[in-house]
Amino acid sequence: DTEVTQTPKHLVMGMTNKKSLKCEQHMGHRAMYWYKQKAKKPPELMFVYSYEKLSINESVPSRFSPECPNSSLLNLHLHALQPEDSALYLCASSQGLASENTEAFFGQGTRLTVV
Amino acid sequence: GNSVTQMEGPVTLSEEAFLTINCTYTATGYPSLFWYVQYPGEGLQLLLKATKADDKGSNKGFEATYRKETTSFHLEKGSVQVSDSAVYFCALSLPTTQGGSEKLVFGKGTKLTVNP
Repeated sequence: DTEVTQTPKHLVMGMTNKKSLKCEQHMGHRAMYWYKQKAKKPPELMFVYSYEKLSINESVPSRFSPECPNSSLLNLHLHALQPEDSALYLCASSQGLASENTEAFFGQGTRLTVV
Repeated sequence: GNSVTQMEGPVTLSEEAFLTINCTYTATGYPSLFWYVQYPGEGLQLLLKATKADDKGSNKGFEATYRKETTSFHLEKGSVQVSDSAVYFCALSLPTTQGGSEKLVFGKGTKLTVNP
C-alpha cells in the first residue's frame, strides 16, 4: 500500500465555520507534511510532523491548527478562514529515517473553498 | 539558500515529439532530486528520483540524470504521448535540521500539453 488518503476531496466552508481535513497513510512513514497549493503555483510547505511531534511550522497563521493523533493520521483543523485561504491542501508522508528512500508520497488533496 | 529553477513553459508538443524540461538547483549539502507530475485536479505523483551525483532516474520513458558539475536535473522523454499532458515539478530534498524528515523545495512547475 503506497497510498496517502485525504478526506474530504472537496470542502466549501464559511468564514465562521470550523472544519477539519484528514490524512491517513499505512506505509509506516514517520514524517508527515501539510502543503498548500494555490492555482498554477508549486506546493508550499506548511507543517512537518516527525515521529508524531510538530517539527516545522512555516509561520502559518493560527487559524490553521495541525494535529497528529498517531503515526498514521494527520489532521488540519480550520477555523475562521479567509477567502484567500482557498487552495488545494496536500498531505504527504516520507519514511523519515536515514535511508536512501527520501521521497515523499502525496495524497490527492482537498480542494478548499472559503466563502 | 536552497532553490530550484525550471523552465516555466507552457510547453506544447505534438505526439511522438522529443521532450526536454530544464531544471537547475542551488543547494547547501547534498540534496536528493525529484521530478513530480500533477495531472489536472489531482495531487502530485513521484515520476522519478536520483539521490546522488551521476545517478539516472527513469520511469515510464522519462529520464533525468543528476549532474553535480552543472547542478542540473533535466527531464527528457524521447516520444511524448497525449496522456503525458500535465504539470511537471522539479524538486530537491534536504534533511531538516530537526531530523527525521525531509523538506522539499519545488520549482515553479512546467505545464506540458501534447496534441494528437
